[in-house]
Amino acid sequence: QKEVEQNSGPLSVPEGAIASLNCTYSDRGSQSFFWYRQYSGKSPELIMSIYSNGDKEDGRFTAQLNKASQYVSLLIRDSQPSDSATYLCAVNSPEYGNKLVFGAGTILRVKS
Amino acid sequence: GAVVSQHPSRVICKSGTSVKIECRSLDFQATTMFWYRQFPKKSLMLMATSNEGSKATYEQGVEKDKFLINHASLTLSTLTVTSAHPEDSSFYICSAADGGTDTQYFGPGTRLTVL
Repeated sequence: QKEVEQNSGPLSVPEGAIASLNCTYSDRGSQSFFWYRQYSGKSPELIMSIYSNGDKEDGRFTAQLNKASQYVSLLIRDSQPSDSATYLCAVNSPEYGNKLVFGAGTILRVKS
Repeated sequence: GAVVSQHPSRVICKSGTSVKIECRSLDFQATTMFWYRQFPKKSLMLMATSNEGSKATYEQGVEKDKFLINHASLTLSTLTVTSAHPEDSSFYICSAADGGTDTQYFGPGTRLTVL
C-alpha cells in the first residue's frame, strides 16, 4: 500500500462547479496534512494545511480531515479554468522520519 | 507569505561539468531545507534533507558524492551536481521549512539539461 494515495485523474469539472479531490494515507501517526497546487512546468505552491479533524476554509478552498478514516480532501468551490493544475496531497509521516510524503497528484481540468 | 528563491532557474551544461544550484529563504529562517527532483509527469522525489550547520541526510539510492549539499546558513542551501551526465537532466526543486512548523515552502525550481 502506498503511503499517500490519490486518484491520478484527470478530474474534469465545468467552470463554476465544485471540484472534490481526495487523498488517503497509511500512517496513523500523521499529524500534519497539506495540499499543494502544481502548474505544469512549475514548482508546487502551498494551498492549505490542516492539522485537526473537520473542515478548514480559506476562500474558495476547504480542506477536510478525518483521521479515523485516514483521509483528507480538498474542495474547490466556483472552479475556474485557472484552477486547472495538478493537486498534490502531502502528509507529514512520523513513520518516515517526519518527512513530507507526497501523493502522485490529481490532475484537475476546469472547462469553460 | 514565506518566499523561497532558487537560482538559476534554468541551466544547460556539458556532460562532465558540475552545476551549483542555490536555494534561499527570503523572509524567514529555515533550519531545514529539502531537495527534490521531478521527472516529467512524475511525482516529487525527495533527494535529501539539509539541516543548517550539519551534514545532509540523503534518501536511499541518492549518491551523496554526486549530489553535494551544503547548508551554510539559516537562509541558504546549495546543491551541486558533480560530473553531470544526461541522465541527471531533471527539474530540481528545493523547499524550506519554517522553523516553528513543518510546513514546506517551495522554490521555483531549476531545470537542468545536461548535453
